[in-house]
Amino acid sequence: AQTVTQSQPEMSVQEAETVTLSCTYDTSENNYYLFWYKQPPSRQMILVIRQEAYKQQNATENRFSVNFQKAAKSFSLKISDSQLGDTAMYFCAFMKSIISGGGADGLTFGKGTHLIIQP
Amino acid sequence: NAGVTQTPKFRVLKTGQSMTLLCAQDMNHEYMYWYRQDPGMGLRLIHYSVGEGTTAKGEVPDGYNVSRLKKQNFLLGLESAAPSQTSVYFCASSRADVDGNTIYFGEGSWLTVV
Repeated sequence: AQTVTQSQPEMSVQEAETVTLSCTYDTSENNYYLFWYKQPPSRQMILVIRQEAYKQQNATENRFSVNFQKAAKSFSLKISDSQLGDTAMYFCAFMKSIISGGGADGLTFGKGTHLIIQP
Repeated sequence: NAGVTQTPKFRVLKTGQSMTLLCAQDMNHEYMYWYRQDPGMGLRLIHYSVGEGTTAKGEVPDGYNVSRLKKQNFLLGLESAAPSQTSVYFCASSRADVDGNTIYFGEGSWLTVV
């Protein structure tokens, strides 16, 4: 079974600063996908970014980027030029590849990091 | 553009009562899921379905039953509600034909058992 660990329950930074959220995972699989989801106070789950384990290049989406270290099983999220609207819970999540018999059993989530952007 | 719709959004139950949460998706997705979210615990998978007429247990299935009689609907039942089932429940769905496909979530259903 997979496990996902987010070691920072809460973080607080000033607006416009850069912040990095940590995530580590444990798996015996070689083919998998990693995700970061954002959950604002509305509780809606919003996909922020996705990384394929077979790709060495780190995924980026505008101000959001990841640092994927496959050997270290680390998948951190960097938010640049943070904005007040980035205040939310952030969840790191893991999905096995179909090749590994996964996909249908969904995502394994970490416990989340509550990110607060201060004005 | 409805996506994944959950009903009801809020419900208060007494211990021992039963209820059903309904999830409907209009994206023709094969896979559907029920998660629960508790403070400090992230989201945990209750049950999932890979297609019409099939269901499987997730990480925390005890106390819940599910049914997928139609492809677009996935029902989560509580036969005898307990206070430990107070939680926020999320339904989700995804395609089956794309590896690592995005999972789309509903807006959540708040359930309180007193």
